[in-house]
Parts: sequence; C-alpha cells; structure tokens
Amino acid sequence: AQKITQTQPGMFVQEKEAVTLDCTYDTSDPSYGLFWYKQPSSGEMIFLIYQGSYDQQNATEGRYSLNFQKARKSANLVISASQLGDSAMYFCAMREGNSGYSTLTFGKGTMLLVSP
Amino acid sequence: NAGVTQTPKFRILKIGQSMTLQCTQDMNHNYMYWYRQDPGMGLKLIYYSVGAGITDKGEVPNGYNVSRSTTEDFPLRLELAAPSQTSVYFCATLGAGGEFGDYGYTFGSGTRLTVV
Repeated sequence: AQKITQTQPGMFVQEKEAVTLDCTYDTSDPSYGLFWYKQPSSGEMIFLIYQGSYDQQNATEGRYSLNFQKARKSANLVISASQLGDSAMYFCAMREGNSGYSTLTFGKGTMLLVSP
Repeated sequence: NAGVTQTPKFRILKIGQSMTLQCTQDMNHNYMYWYRQDPGMGLKLIYYSVGAGITDKGEVPNGYNVSRSTTEDFPLRLELAAPSQTSVYFCATLGAGGEFGDYGYTFGSGTRLTVV
C-alpha cells in the first residue's frame, strides 16, 4: 500500500484564487511528520511547510497552510492568493518516527498551473 | 555556507559505463540520503547513512553502491549503467535543530543523469 497518496496529477487555478492540494497518508506509527515541498521547473526541492503528528494546530507559513485531519489521515496543502510563481510540482512527504533512521517517503506529486 | 553540493549537475553515460555522483556537505550533519526522481514521479530513497562508516539500503538500491568514509562526503556509485537509471539524483542531509528552516532536511540541487 502506498504510504503517501496524491490523487490530483494536475490542478489549474487563476491568479489570486486559493487552491487546495490533496494528500493522504498511511502509517501506524504514532510519531510522524508531514512535509510539503515545491519543485519548480528549475528542479530544486523547496521546503514549504511541516506538520508534526502531535501538533495541535494546523501549520501555517505565509500563504501556505496545512489542513491536518489526523483521523482521516489527510494533510492537504492550501495556498491562498495564488501567484504566477506558484506554478510548479508539489510533493507531499512523510517521515515515520523521529530520527535520522526515519527517511522521507514522497507522493507522486501534483502539478499546479496558475493562470493570469 | 555551501550547504549540500552535488557534482556533476548533468551527465550522459553510455550503457555499461560507471560513474560516481558526488555529494558533499559542510553542515556537519550525521544523516545523509540519496534519492532518485524519475520523470513525473516523486523521489525514491536509494541509500542512506546515519554516520561515517554506516550505510543502509533504501527502497531502490539495486545497481548502486555507497560509502561514507567521512561526515562530509557521501558518494553514490553506479556500476554498469543501464537506461533504467536515467533519472535526477538528489542528495539530502538531516541535522538537529532545523536551523535551515526545513526541520533539518537540506537538499542538493540534483544531478541529471541520462544513460544511452
């Protein structure tokens, strides 16, 4: 079974609108972390936001917020007020446990295109 | 700070050739990882290391070897290159404290490898 599932291969949004990118995960470890990364066409991996399994509040970083629904095992990324520069591939990733032995598992990604 | 440096950035190999992808970090991080990203896909873990002299296999280790003789360097060796190894390779490190703002994970800029 896949540990990270991103069901949206591609998403389109108009500039200044909000968009939600879906991510569901599967783990039996009570301690885990969820990450979102942005990969623009230049190829680098850019960290966006992190949510720990024990965090009580949803994580926010500027225009990015993570809608963490633990019971549903979902960790959707919400981008408010989309910008043209948000056009990129977005990856959800999970780390089970909390040590260096705990490696990141990535989803297949969602391509976001922002139009003027 | 250079962070994580990967060389080369691009390489074309012929089937059956060998090469080493270099990864060097100057952050004194114990944990280092090699991922590959196939076109349109997420990253998959090849090998990782929790310290000098200690390495372990990830999800897709076949066709690769690693060594970790120092904290700074974590080279990835491809023996007898095959077209299936055409991919983008990322090196990443993990340190305590998350001083780079991504809860410790720092990615290199990647090596794009084509095997023909």
